[in-house]
Parts: sequence; structure tokens; C-alpha cells
Amino acid sequence: ELKVEQNPLFLSMQEGKNYTIYCNYSTTSDRLYWYRQDPGKSLESLFVLLSNGAVKQEGRLMASLDTKARLSTLHITAAVHDLSATYFCAVDIRNNDMRFGAGTRLTVKP
Amino acid sequence: KAGVTQTPRYLIKTRGQQVTLSCSPISGHRSVSWYQQTPGQGLQFLFEYFSETQRNKGNFPGRFSGRQFSNSRSEMNVSTLELGDSALYLCASSLVANSPLHFGNGTRLTVT
Repeated sequence: ELKVEQNPLFLSMQEGKNYTIYCNYSTTSDRLYWYRQDPGKSLESLFVLLSNGAVKQEGRLMASLDTKARLSTLHITAAVHDLSATYFCAVDIRNNDMRFGAGTRLTVKP
Repeated sequence: KAGVTQTPRYLIKTRGQQVTLSCSPISGHRSVSWYQQTPGQGLQFLFEYFSETQRNKGNFPGRFSGRQFSNSRSEMNVSTLELGDSALYLCASSLVANSPLHFGNGTRLTVT
């Protein structure tokens, strides 16, 4: 059975610090997504990673994909309060059947 | 460009009843997917429709069903509601399969 595991599940950071969220998955897939969800809100697409070695960056967030290790990372640089949210990675099995990780609840404190 | 619209936003139903949720995708998007989100199980895939055809179905009982209309709007139905069906139901659309999903704000269903 496909597993998508994120860690950590909870992350409390100080503003200005760096940290990485990890996403391991157990099936071959060359399509991995990162989403953000604010409390009480829906999911917002952050990154699509389509091939081994793919790296995408947007502001203070950078995502990468290693399909051989079945690992994706979401790196946060110099965190700010606005980044507080829950971050999900998701593996696309087929036709938008996505398997989501449990989510990482990030809190950035001043 | 309007986003994905889900109605209603909130629903309270009693065990044994049935419920229909509605989703209007982004204009031009032909793929509509449905997900259930609960604190215990997280986000789980229900089904996906493309051009009125269900192409994928997740591991949910037959009480959960859906359909898509010719204008790409979609509905999902849950019959004989159980307490465990209480969840946030999210609809998402995409231009084609294997492209990022655009999620609606969800319908929060509470079964009492």
C-alpha cells in the first residue's frame, strides 16, 4: 500500500530561522505536489515537481525532489509569521488520485 | 477568474439521511476530484471525473457516489449517513489530469 510520510508533523520555529520538512513516499512516481492550508481555509498549490532533481523556489520556500530516494523536501528560509500554516505533500497516483501526507503544522513565532 | 465554488458551505444532517454536495469548477477545467478531510484520516481521495466519466474511485463504500454534468459541474452524494461521515469535503478541479489541483473552500458536513 502506498504510504506518504511527512516529518515533522508539528514544527514551531522562531522568525528568521531555517528548517526543512521531509516527505517520503513508497511508490514510484515522478509527480509530487506541495500544498499549503491555512486554518479554516482550503488548500493552495505551492509547487509541482515533475522529475528527478527538480527544484522550485517561491519566496522563502524551496522544494526539491529525489525520485530515486523517493524523497521530497520543503525548505524554509528565514521564516516569517505569514508562513504559519499546514503544509502537505502529495503524490499523484493517476488521474488526480493524490495520496497526501498527514501534513506539517508550522507555527512561526516572533 | 472565478475559483472552484462549493455549496453549501455547512451542512448538518442526521444519521440515516442522505446529502448532496455541489461543485462548480474553474471555467475550462474538465477534471473534477473530490476529497474527504478529517482530523483522524487526513485527506482521502473519493473520486475523479473527466468529461462526465468517473475515471478513478478511492476506497470508500458505495454510499458515496458522484456525477459530473456536461458543463463540468459535479455533485457528490452520500446516502445513509453515518457519524463517521462528518468531515470537510473538498472539491478540486484541474485543466487536465496530472496538473495542480485547485481546491474549493469545502463543505463541512456534520452528522448527528
